[in-house]
Amino acid sequence: EAGVAQSPRYKIIEKRQSVAFWCNPISGHATLYWYQQILGQGPKLLIQFQNNGVVDDSQLPKDRFSAERLKGVDSTLKIQPAKLEDSAVYLCASSLAPGLYEQYFGPGTRLTVT
Amino acid sequence: QKEVEQNSGPLSVPEGAIASLNCTYSDRGSQSFFWYRQYSGKSPELIMFIYSNGDKEDGRFTAQLNKASQYVSLLIRDSQPSDSATYLCAVSQWTGANNLFFGTGTRLTVIP
Repeated sequence: EAGVAQSPRYKIIEKRQSVAFWCNPISGHATLYWYQQILGQGPKLLIQFQNNGVVDDSQLPKDRFSAERLKGVDSTLKIQPAKLEDSAVYLCASSLAPGLYEQYFGPGTRLTVT
Repeated sequence: QKEVEQNSGPLSVPEGAIASLNCTYSDRGSQSFFWYRQYSGKSPELIMFIYSNGDKEDGRFTAQLNKASQYVSLLIRDSQPSDSATYLCAVSQWTGANNLFFGTGTRLTVIP
């Protein structure tokens, strides 16, 4: 079974530029999560999708971050414009459903904003 | 604000010893508790979850939960160098959203 796929793996941009990350969850997983992990910290949930609907985006900085999951499969996370403090690893995870189901993490995208 | 606190470490133990990792949480509404292992430069992987008071064992790993004290721990018996990683504690309320709140992690080093 293929795992969670993410691309790109690394991205370097200048502040005020825009960037987009892509995630393909494990086949059949209805729930998809985007996390931000700053160096030395634990992952912080940005947004959670159930199929193609948003369940929780309370910690998403909506003035600059946006995410979508069209057709309930792949998802993209966009930052526009980027700030220095957005430098982090962006992790995508998926699970069969919400609740006590294991979240499987992708390899992450390491973003450096200069 | 939900808080999950862990000692950042590093925690060093000799090979074969028991490693004890601790976590406290602030939200009394938390119902589910998870331990993830994260190797350097890699993504987190689930080791165990627990939601009832007491102990839960899986191989060399034992999770312990005390909701009254808002405390959860992970014991690793017969520690191996391959156990060297950062261990993340995460908590969740029992809701449909299953939001996980992570601690900052404890870095464990097992010395051969």
